[in-house]
Amino acid sequence: NAGVTQTPKFQVLKTGQSMTLQCAQDMNHEYMSWYRQDPGMGLRLIHYSVGAGITDQGEVPNGYNVSRSTTEDFPLRLLSAAPSQTSVYFCASLGTGGHGYTFGSGTRLTVV
Amino acid sequence: GDSVTQMEGPVTLSEEAFLTINCTYTATGYPSLFWYVQYPGEGLQLLLKATKADDKGSNKGFEATYRKETTSFHLEKGSVQVSDSAVYFCALSVGGNEKLTFGTGTRLTIIP
Repeated sequence: NAGVTQTPKFQVLKTGQSMTLQCAQDMNHEYMSWYRQDPGMGLRLIHYSVGAGITDQGEVPNGYNVSRSTTEDFPLRLLSAAPSQTSVYFCASLGTGGHGYTFGSGTRLTVV
Repeated sequence: GDSVTQMEGPVTLSEEAFLTINCTYTATGYPSLFWYVQYPGEGLQLLLKATKADDKGSNKGFEATYRKETTSFHLEKGSVQVSDSAVYFCALSVGGNEKLTFGTGTRLTIIP
C-alpha cells in the first residue's frame, strides 16, 4: 500500500544510547519531515527535507540528525538519547496534489 | 511568529450532538488552514482545508470556514458519531511554506 512506513513502532532506550528511526515513502514525494508529539504541545517540527540531498532544521532540532540520500528514505538519528526525548515521533511526506501531508503511524520512544 | 490556539480538551459528547472545536491563529502572512484528525494508534490524516479567506472546507460531515476578520477556523459537525472519537488538530502554513504549525490538539470522545 502506498504511504509512509515508520519503524520501529515502539522502542525503549537507555540514556546515552543512540538509535535511528526509519521512515520510507513510496509516493515519490519530494518533501519529508519529522515531528515529535508531546502531551499539551501538539506536533513540533524537528527536521525537514525538500528533496534528496537537502535537509534543514525545524523548531526543535537539538539532539537529532537527519540525512536524505534518496527520495524514498528520511531516517532520524538520536545521537545520545535523553529522557527529554521520550515522545511519539511522526514522519510525514507531502506531494503536489493538494491532498495534504501523509503521516506514518508513529514511533513511540521511551528513554529511561 | 506563527501560532495556532485550540480549545482545551478533552471534549465528551453524546452521539448525534452538535460539535464545535474552536481554533484561532496568528500568522505573519496569508496562511492556509487545515484540520487534521488522529484516530487511536494511527498517524494524522488531513480532514479538510481552506486556502483563502471565506473558503469553507468540508469532509465527512465536518465543516470549517476561514474567517480572516476573526482569525478563526472553527471545526463543526451537525451530528457526531461514535466513530468520530479522535484527536483533532488545527494547523496552518504560510505563503506556500510546506512547514505546518500545529495547535495542541483536542481529544474528542463520543458516547453512545
